[in-house]
Amino acid sequence: GAGVSQSPRYKVAKRGQDVALRCDPISGHVSLFWYQQALGQGPEFLTYFQNEAQLDKSGLPSDRFFAERPEGSVSTLKIQRTQQEDSAVYLCASSLRDRAGVAEAFFGQGTRLTVV
Amino acid sequence: AQSVTQPDIHITVSEGASLELRCNYSYGATPYLFWYVQSPGQGLQLLLKYFSGDTLVQGIKGFEAEFKRSQSSFNLRKPSVHWSDAAEYFCAVVPGAGSYQLTFGKGTKLSVIP
Repeated sequence: GAGVSQSPRYKVAKRGQDVALRCDPISGHVSLFWYQQALGQGPEFLTYFQNEAQLDKSGLPSDRFFAERPEGSVSTLKIQRTQQEDSAVYLCASSLRDRAGVAEAFFGQGTRLTVV
Repeated sequence: AQSVTQPDIHITVSEGASLELRCNYSYGATPYLFWYVQSPGQGLQLLLKYFSGDTLVQGIKGFEAEFKRSQSSFNLRKPSVHWSDAAEYFCAVVPGAGSYQLTFGKGTKLSVIP
């Protein structure tokens, strides 16, 4: 595709439900980043992939959050046993270069997760 | 701790007026600096970035930003605002070369009145 695609665009989950958020990066992009943007806040870093390797998961808030990118393209962010504080917009970004390519990263439109 | 501060939560300007959005950072050395724009329901779009060199940086859509080391600031400016500039603006930094974790400010929402 022409840009970074995220699905679904909106997700409502009942508290305790598991959710999976998908990110389709730009084809051929090496780096993939996930960010969490709470209401009224700036995005916060969650995790970084270089191809299929998850090189940094220091921003994941708890062990309920899990991300994968098994073939080095599509990535899925999974949240288990969702809680209300997980409500946020989840942004995915990809870059052609390795970690230094953050400056050229393209962001998707995000998935807005609402936990009720 | 490293931080980015955008002191203005919401700014309203008249169409055609000039604009300045403030950003201050707290880092030990000069980080790489960015400004992003986010329109409702849209992802983040990079307006401009500063790594080194000329401290006045030109970006897309007529925006520019000036890096001032003495003030730890990277303010965004536009000489004449258009109604389509209404959006939320985020300042962000990475600590330096090889770093990839963007740290964002809380954003400034810009409203434009005709």
